[in-house]
This record gives sequence, C-alpha cells and structure tokens, in this order.
Amino acid sequence: QKEVEQNSGPLSVPEGAIASLNCTYSDRVSQSFFWYRQYSGKSPELIMSIYSNGDKEDGRFTAQLNKASQYVSLLIRDSQPSDSATYLCAVLERTARQLTFGSGTQLTVLP
Amino acid sequence: DAGVIQSPRHEVTEMGQEVTLRCKPISGHDYLFWYRQTMMRGLELLIYFNNNVPIDDSGMPEDRFSAKMPNASFSTLKIQPSEPRDSAVYFCASSPSREQFFGPGTRLTVL
Repeated sequence: QKEVEQNSGPLSVPEGAIASLNCTYSDRVSQSFFWYRQYSGKSPELIMSIYSNGDKEDGRFTAQLNKASQYVSLLIRDSQPSDSATYLCAVLERTARQLTFGSGTQLTVLP
Repeated sequence: DAGVIQSPRHEVTEMGQEVTLRCKPISGHDYLFWYRQTMMRGLELLIYFNNNVPIDDSGMPEDRFSAKMPNASFSTLKIQPSEPRDSAVYFCASSPSREQFFGPGTRLTVL
C-alpha cells in the first residue's frame, strides 16, 4: 500500500523565519511530487511541483527531492502570517494518474 | 481561464435524499478527478476519468455513489440515497497531465 507521511505538526514559526515541511513516501516508482497549500475552508492550491532530484526554487518557496532517501521537503523563507495554512504533500506514480496525499502539516506563522 | 467550477458550493439535505454534485473542468484538461475530504480520513480519491472515460472507481465507497462524465466539460457525482456519514467536502480536480488543479469544493451536510 502506497503511503505518504508528513511530519504531524502543528508547526509554529515566527514571522521572518524559515519553515521546513517534510514528507516521506513508500513507493520507489513514484516520479512526481507536489506541494499543495490549503487554507481553512478552502480547496488545495498547487504551489510547487518537482520531478527530479535536487532543489527547485520559486520565490520564497524551495522544494527539495531526494529519491534515494524517498524524501521530499518544502522550505518557506521569510515566513509571513499569510503562509499559515495546511500543507499537503502529494506523490504521483510514473504510470498512474492518481495522487496519493499525506495527511498534511498545519503551519502557523506568528507575527 | 475560470478554473475548475463546482456547484452547488453548499448542500444540506436529509438522509435518504438524492444528491447531485456538478463539476466543470478547465478547458483542455483530459483528466478529471473526484475527491472527498473529511477530518478523519483526509483527502480521498473517489474516481477519475480520462477523456470522459472512467479509469479507476476503486475509491467509490458504495453502490450508492455514481459518477458520470457525458462530455469534456461536465461531470456529476451522485449519491442515492444519502446518509449522514456522507457529510464531507467533495472536490473536483482537473489535469492536463501530471499537475492537478482543484475546484472550490461542495460542502455536503446530510442530516
């Protein structure tokens, strides 16, 4: 059974700090990895996708992928109160279209 | 583009009634997904379509649930008869390839 595990949280960081969100996955054939942000009462919003080992940066967000360790992370630099949300890690197999989601990590950025 | 459109946004019904949820995917996206989200179970895939054809419905909980996609711009998820345990937020998502984009969701309450 495919599993995606996220650090349980909740995670609190002060404004301006770096928030680090982690995710591990069990299926070695997984090829595509995504981070979604979900505000309370809203739908998941895609904020990052990463397909190859290494880092991918987009503004204040950096996704890191290590396929050998089956590990993907999301760093949020200069965290803002508006970053307070639940962050969902999602994994896609190479030959499938179904995403497997983690249970999410709730992040609170304290002003 | 308007994004994925879902209706209704909120639905309150009584046990035993039929419920129909509607989704319009993003134009040009070949994949359409129906998810259900609850606090207890997180985000669960119910069914997905490729080019209007159902590919995997293994997540549909019971025969009370059915989904159709009569054309590329419209899909329905029907629950008949509804039960209180069906109360959840139902999301539709569409995808051109790997990345999935979610609609705003329908919050269903079955009394």
